Amino acid sequence: AQKVTQAQTEISVVEKEDVTLDCVYETRDTTYYLFWYKQPPSGELVFLIRRNSFDEQNEISGRYSWNFQKSTSSFNFTITASQVVDSAVYFCALSEAPSGGSYIPTFGRGTSLIVHP
Amino acid sequence: DAGVTQSPTHLIKTRGQQVTLRCSPKSGHDTVSWYQQALGQGPQFIFQYYEEEERQRGNFPDRFSGHQFPNYSSELNVNALLLGDSALYLCASSAGFSGANVLTFGAGSRLTVL
Repeated sequence: AQKVTQAQTEISVVEKEDVTLDCVYETRDTTYYLFWYKQPPSGELVFLIRRNSFDEQNEISGRYSWNFQKSTSSFNFTITASQVVDSAVYFCALSEAPSGGSYIPTFGRGTSLIVHP
Repeated sequence: DAGVTQSPTHLIKTRGQQVTLRCSPKSGHDTVSWYQQALGQGPQFIFQYYEEEERQRGNFPDRFSGHQFPNYSSELNVNALLLGDSALYLCASSAGFSGANVLTFGAGSRLTVL
């Protein structure tokens, strides 16, 4: 069965600090997708990134970067020079491809990031 | 282009009552999934609808039922409400039901059961 672990329940930083949110996953499939979503206080989850299991290239988007390592089953998310607007709950999710899994993404419990001015 | 819209945004019910939550998917999306998010937890999958049929179901009792209409909108019904049903109910839409699909979420309906 697929499983996603976000061990950090809450992280508190001061603006301009760098912060890394950890995500460790478990799956028996060789084909799967990993996602990160952001949930601001308004409630709706906002998509940030999707990665398939065959693409281990790290990705950078502005202040956001993602480090995907199959060897350690991790898909970590780093925010550089954090800002108050980054304060939100961040979820990592795993979805197995139709040929192997349940089609439905499994979400971690989320990491609450608080950025203080 | 409107995203996913949900109604109502907040509601309060008492134990034993029934509730219906509504969702309109993002334009161009044909698949609707419902999630329950308890306080401090990640979203838990309830069920998914595609072509007006329930395609997948999570580990939720039969008290939770749903429907999808020809215009792709969807309803979630919960009967015989329990205190433990208090949560944020999220609707997500996608184009198809592949595990690779990106979900677009609504802001949710916050249900409080007293």
